[in-house]
Amino acid sequence: AQKVTQAQTEISVVEKEDVTLDCVYETRDTTYYLFWYKQPPSGELVFLIRRNSFDEQNEISGRYSWNFQKSTSSFNFTITASQVVDSAVYFCALSEGRVNQGGKLIFGQGTELSVKP
Amino acid sequence: NAGVTQTPKFRVLKTGQSMTLLCAQDMNHEYMYWYRQDPGMGLRLIHYSVGEGTTAKGEVPDGYNVSRLKKQNFLLGLESAAPSQTSVYFCASRPPPMDNEQFFGPGTRLTVL
Repeated sequence: AQKVTQAQTEISVVEKEDVTLDCVYETRDTTYYLFWYKQPPSGELVFLIRRNSFDEQNEISGRYSWNFQKSTSSFNFTITASQVVDSAVYFCALSEGRVNQGGKLIFGQGTELSVKP
Repeated sequence: NAGVTQTPKFRVLKTGQSMTLLCAQDMNHEYMYWYRQDPGMGLRLIHYSVGEGTTAKGEVPDGYNVSRLKKQNFLLGLESAAPSQTSVYFCASRPPPMDNEQFFGPGTRLTVL
């Protein structure tokens, strides 16, 4: 069965600290896709990144970076030099690759990040 | 483009009342989804559609029905609302292929008294 676990329910940091949000997933499929979404206090869901199971290359986008490790079934998200605007709930999600699964997302429980000035 | 829109934004129902949530997308996406978000549980899939005229059950379909009569619209119905259906409902759509991200609507906050 598919499952996504974000063990950190809440994280609080002071501005400029680095923070890593953990995501561990379970799937039996060899083809799958992983996503991160951000939900700021305003409530909308903002897409951050996707990664397919065949691409283990890490990615950096400005202060954001993602570390995908198939060996540990993890897809962790690091914010460098955090800012108050990073305060949000962050969701990791999994989608299996089989067409008959419809591309539906399995979400983790979310990690609420609070960045204090 | 408006993207994905949801109507209404807020609604309060009494137990046993019925209502329909409307999701509309103007991106010509094949796939559409309804999720509910509850505290500490992330988002859970209610129903989804892989194309006009097709629907399928997700993880938590009980108490809900859906219809996709037009490609751009995906309706979520509650026939007899229960307090357990108090939640924030999100609609999403995405184009093929399978690795594309889902585009989410702004959400509908529903309270059932």
